[in-house]
Amino acid sequence: NAGVTQTPKFRVLKTGQSMTLLCAQDMNHEYMYWYRQDPGMGLRLIHYSVGEGTTAKGEVPDGYNVSRLKKQNFLLGLESAAPSQTSVYFCASSYDSTGWDETQYFGPGTRLLVL
Amino acid sequence: AQKITQTQPGMFVQEKEAVTLDCTYDTSDQSYGLFWYKQPSSGEMIFLIYQGSYDEQNATEGRYSLNFQKARKSANLVISASQLGDSAMYFCAMWPVTGGTSYGKLTFGQGTILTVHP
Repeated sequence: NAGVTQTPKFRVLKTGQSMTLLCAQDMNHEYMYWYRQDPGMGLRLIHYSVGEGTTAKGEVPDGYNVSRLKKQNFLLGLESAAPSQTSVYFCASSYDSTGWDETQYFGPGTRLLVL
Repeated sequence: AQKITQTQPGMFVQEKEAVTLDCTYDTSDQSYGLFWYKQPSSGEMIFLIYQGSYDEQNATEGRYSLNFQKARKSANLVISASQLGDSAMYFCAMWPVTGGTSYGKLTFGQGTILTVHP
């Protein structure tokens, strides 16, 4: 049981390049989330998904797209990377949000540097 | 909208002593959940403890306890018998247990860096 995994762990991009971050979970969780963490700040939600085939915008969605074609995977895409997207990206998952104690379990993070 | 405030950018504690990390929140929701996460220097986010707004008793998990004061909208984390391995960034977070577009989305505070001295 690997929990939540993320690939890659670290990536350097040039401005304007595109890339996809992959998140995978093996806990059969319904909900998945993408956050970004910037220095001196807590995590901010980019996009989330409440189930296979569904996605929704979070707090800071601009410049990102997501897809949830399979229940266990949640992809985060940057179509044209900008230096402002330099950050640490965390994926998280939870069983569902209808319960009272739905802990979100986090992946190890992806460090992205955009030059 | 929800807001989490952690007013202590950094805290220091001696090994084996207790320490309290402050967290206040603001929400108009009647039902919500409060979480604490630990982020060591390695970067991963580790779940520590959860408190539901309906819980009358404070949550405890081993050396961690959550001092929940609903009227004051505070959810402070208490770590007893601090260990060197407790040195990390600590985040308070909350989410509303309601329907609608805010369902399931955690709002995080800015974090508190805890340093445990030997």
